[in-house]
Amino acid sequence: DAMVIQNPRYQVTQFGKPVTLSCSQTLNHNVMYWYQQKSSQAPKLLFHYYDKDFNNEADTPDNFQSRRPNTSFCFLDIRSPGLGDAAMYLCATSRTGGRNTIYFGEGSWLTVV
Amino acid sequence: GNSVTQMEGPVTLSEEAFLTINCTYTATGYPSLFWYVQYPGEGLQLLLKATKADDKGSNKGFEATYRKETTSFHLEKGSVQVSDSAVYFCALSPTRSEETSYGKLTFGQGTILTVHP
Repeated sequence: DAMVIQNPRYQVTQFGKPVTLSCSQTLNHNVMYWYQQKSSQAPKLLFHYYDKDFNNEADTPDNFQSRRPNTSFCFLDIRSPGLGDAAMYLCATSRTGGRNTIYFGEGSWLTVV
Repeated sequence: GNSVTQMEGPVTLSEEAFLTINCTYTATGYPSLFWYVQYPGEGLQLLLKATKADDKGSNKGFEATYRKETTSFHLEKGSVQVSDSAVYFCALSPTRSEETSYGKLTFGQGTILTVHP
């Protein structure tokens, strides 16, 4: 059974039109992550939540925001998508601590037209 | 900073061939090391991991040994199948000396494996 669930799997949005991707987890992990993966590249961490504490990576554009209303859910908001934001967005979770395994969802493919 | 270097791909093999994908890392202290696999159009799945020197991770016929002396974590499989065709990512997570409350993965660039019947 899927433990990290992302919706939608495929999203097409217009240039500049806000879009939200969602992630839910059944693992009760207190850390949740959002990664961006462009074609043929390694995933790149955008930000993470440690419980309710939001931690942005230094090079994450302001266009990307996130919300975590409770332990199970986390959202990625792209305020004004550009063509360069077309990518797969991966949600992931882990327990506290650097040595714990990070579990990924299936990903959400975003196309910007 | 931390970094991971994987052998360049793509790698193309015939079914039942032996597989090695090289991975070396640069990090302070004792990072945890991981291999993730990504099948076409899907997210990343943990394949195996090792958290200290000389540990061997293994899963589904794949193995990798944490070699601190050579800072390596090479992935091997004795006999590949067509279903093993995927992208393989080597990754590390911060060390004890800089351990934080979360695991920030540093990925290698990925190696595309194609296995032909």
